[in-house]
Amino acid sequence: DAGVIQSPRHEVTEMGQEVTLRCKPISGHDYLFWYRQTMMRGLELLIYFNNNVPIDDSGMPEDRFSAKMPNASFSTLKIQPSEPRDSAVYFCASSALQGGGTTNEKLFFGSGTQLSVL
Amino acid sequence: GENVEQHPSTLSVQEGDSAVIKCTYSDSASNYFPWYKQELGKGPQLIIDIRSNVGEKKDQRIAVTLNKTAKHFSLHITETQPEDSAVYFCAAQWPYDYKLSFGAGTTVTVRA
Repeated sequence: DAGVIQSPRHEVTEMGQEVTLRCKPISGHDYLFWYRQTMMRGLELLIYFNNNVPIDDSGMPEDRFSAKMPNASFSTLKIQPSEPRDSAVYFCASSALQGGGTTNEKLFFGSGTQLSVL
Repeated sequence: GENVEQHPSTLSVQEGDSAVIKCTYSDSASNYFPWYKQELGKGPQLIIDIRSNVGEKKDQRIAVTLNKTAKHFSLHITETQPEDSAVYFCAAQWPYDYKLSFGAGTTVTVRA
């Protein structure tokens, strides 16, 4: 398996532009998470999906952020309009329930998208 | 929600020495505690984890200990090697949802 695949690896855009980040989770994983990493705030969970359905988006900072998961193999995180304070590394991660248990474990992270908003 | 504190923020050790990173958590209901290693330009990768019903777990040169009473857990790396240089994150998970709360990270540098 190729692991979690994110694109693009780097994105440089100007303030006010729309940014779309993409993620392909590991096949068979039914949970997908979007995280943001900054020096100031560390790793923050933005939103997560279970079976393509958004379960908790309480970490999404503002209405400018939206995420979708149209099918089990693809998710997007969109920022519109983008602002300089959105500059960060955005990670997608996927996971699967282990052995039919009630806990979600072993997050597998992608390599991230380094976003710079000028 | 859960709050995880991690110390130290940076750690420099001589190759061959041991490294210890400590984390505390706030919610006694948390029951799963993974550790992730993040190398430059990559996403975090799980290196070891422990559940609340276990006090210690080892995997070769890495070990994790958990003290539920004190609500803290630690990562121990023995016989450190240059490839151990990375940022290490602890995390804790509530049993009521599937969200991990991460510590702020520890940058470990192994000096040759």
